[in-house]
Amino acid sequence: NAGVTQTPKFQVLKTGQSMTLQCAQDMNHEYMSWYRQDPGMGLRLIHYSVGAGITDQGEVPNGYNVSRSTTEDFPLRLLSAAPSQTSVYFCASSSGGAGANVLTFGAGSRLTVL
Amino acid sequence: KQEVTQIPAALSVPEGENLVLNCSFTDSAIYNLQWFRQDPGKGLTSLLLIQSSQREQTSGRLNASLDKSSGRSTLYIAASQPGDSATYLCAGDERNFGNEKLTFGTGTRLTIIP
Repeated sequence: NAGVTQTPKFQVLKTGQSMTLQCAQDMNHEYMSWYRQDPGMGLRLIHYSVGAGITDQGEVPNGYNVSRSTTEDFPLRLLSAAPSQTSVYFCASSSGGAGANVLTFGAGSRLTVL
Repeated sequence: KQEVTQIPAALSVPEGENLVLNCSFTDSAIYNLQWFRQDPGKGLTSLLLIQSSQREQTSGRLNASLDKSSGRSTLYIAASQPGDSATYLCAGDERNFGNEKLTFGTGTRLTIIP
């Protein structure tokens, strides 16, 4: 089925380790984004991209890195994991800007940092 | 900084009742507004998108409206069913941010009692 695919679904890291959360979409969407969801805080934007080769910071970018080499893929890299990064991460995409277009979400990646 | 409040945080109603979920923004300059549904352990699914030139949208038993003068939105669910049980989130974007960034509410957890 067409949509947004995130891997892995679950991951446990130790403090200081690095890892990459993968996100791929097959809808030819220009806009892609990463959010984290924490209890009582809603979804917060980490980074977003309006097209291949273009990325920008969201509300909580520190400790995360992104790149957009293709339209389909938008990986999120944790450079040196910290317990504060324990969260559920969602990748989302849309055909245009996130506000004026339907946003399609992946199923999420649950990350625990010990 | 834009903040979004969703009231109530949780709601339980018997099957068949009509209900209203509320969403309000501290800054009423909302350009587009989107309502989402999230099932436990899953990603978000877009339900309704109210674009800048619109005041309401309808899909089946769902109707969403946006009062831009007050920065408030309501999601009306008619003839509720057990399958409507989920968390409902609203998100809006502000014109001065372009439309690449959405601000999310923390959601209303809805339980429909059979």
